[in-house]
Amino acid sequence: ELKVEQNPLFLSMQEGKNYTIYCNYSTTSDRLYWYRQDPGKSLESLFVLLSNGAVKQEGRLMASLDTKARLSTLHITAAVHDLSATYFCAGTMNRDDKIIFGKGTRLHILP
Amino acid sequence: GAGVSQTPSNKVTEKGKYVELRCDPISGHTALYWYRQSLGQGPEFLIYFQGTGAADDSGLPNDRFFAVRPEGSVSTLKIQRTERGDSAVYLCASSTIGGSYEQYFGPGTRLTVT
Repeated sequence: ELKVEQNPLFLSMQEGKNYTIYCNYSTTSDRLYWYRQDPGKSLESLFVLLSNGAVKQEGRLMASLDTKARLSTLHITAAVHDLSATYFCAGTMNRDDKIIFGKGTRLHILP
Repeated sequence: GAGVSQTPSNKVTEKGKYVELRCDPISGHTALYWYRQSLGQGPEFLIYFQGTGAADDSGLPNDRFFAVRPEGSVSTLKIQRTERGDSAVYLCASSTIGGSYEQYFGPGTRLTVT
């Protein structure tokens, strides 16, 4: 069964700094997701990565996928306070299948 | 357009009672998923519907949990003889087959069992 591990689980950083969240998964995953969740809110889809070497960027966030290493990263460039949230990495083994989530990385950006 | 909606947004019930949680998926989405999220954790899969049938119910924790989707649209998650450990946020998601396979999540129902 697919297992998804994120690290770090908690990250406090200063505005303007760069940082990376890492996501390792245990077995072949058909697709890799990144979601954002604000406190008390539902999940917002950020990226869906489908193939090895895929890189997607939206604003200050960039996600990449290395299927050989079973690793995805979410890179934050020049962080701003508004990016404070919990970020989840997740994967599926097959199309249409359930999503298996990591425990989440709680990101706190200090102004 | 309208997203996934869930009702109620909050439900407080006493231990031992029966509850129903409702999910309205995005119009035209054939796949519907239920997840449960405990405090400080990632969502955990419960059950997945393709049309009217449950394609995968392997995440339902025990036989007190049951879900239906009789017309292939709205789904109801039913919990019998609720226990305090059932307290969590129950999330519903839907997706369309043949598209990006993104799952779009609803706002969730926060269930508290006292």
